[in-house]
Amino acid sequence: GENVEQHPSTLSVQEGDSAVIKCTYSDSASNYFPWYKQELGKRPQLIIDIRSNVGEKKDQRIAVTLNKTAKHFSLHITETQPEDSAVYFCAASTNAGGTSYGKLTFGQGTILTVHP
Amino acid sequence: EAQVTQNPRYLITVTGKKLTVTCSQNMNHEYMSWYRQDPGLGLRQIYYSMNVEVTDKGDVPEGYKVSRKEKRNFPLILESPSPNQTSLYFCASSYRDRGGEKLFFGSGTQLSVL
Repeated sequence: GENVEQHPSTLSVQEGDSAVIKCTYSDSASNYFPWYKQELGKRPQLIIDIRSNVGEKKDQRIAVTLNKTAKHFSLHITETQPEDSAVYFCAASTNAGGTSYGKLTFGQGTILTVHP
Repeated sequence: EAQVTQNPRYLITVTGKKLTVTCSQNMNHEYMSWYRQDPGLGLRQIYYSMNVEVTDKGDVPEGYKVSRKEKRNFPLILESPSPNQTSLYFCASSYRDRGGEKLFFGSGTQLSVL
């Protein structure tokens, strides 16, 4: 089955700096890569996702890049703010665009701390 | 308001005492799933359901049971809890668009088994 590795496990940055979280996946058939953000004591929420037919996707200060050849994808946060402090999870699944259930395999999570 | 309702938020129990964590969604989603969250291990899927009366094992199903008698409800049952099931549990419902599964999580249940 799919295996997703996420690094780093913790990341500390100063407000205004950029933050990058990286994930690698094992199953070359994976074609959908979402990122979830979990604030302290809250539930995970989807913040951005990308399909394998797209190399990069951007939404305001966050962006995700995908390298299918190397089987890795990354989350980039620019101009970080204290409210970006949270645990971030990457995930991978197959069957994007299909009609059957596409099980998500999650990475281990990254604790991001943004210092004012 | 669209939501996934999970109860209880906190639960302390003793080894061997059967318990049920309830989960209900009001978004008419076909897919529902249960995850446990442990430090350093991320979110691991316990069970999932593709529709009423259709369930299947996830990555860590041992010691858990589920049922899906109604589309909106997907309870998680621990018949004989053990201390290694102490964890933070999340229920999720999801829908598919052309991108992939979009998960909506409940607020979580922190379970401690003594």
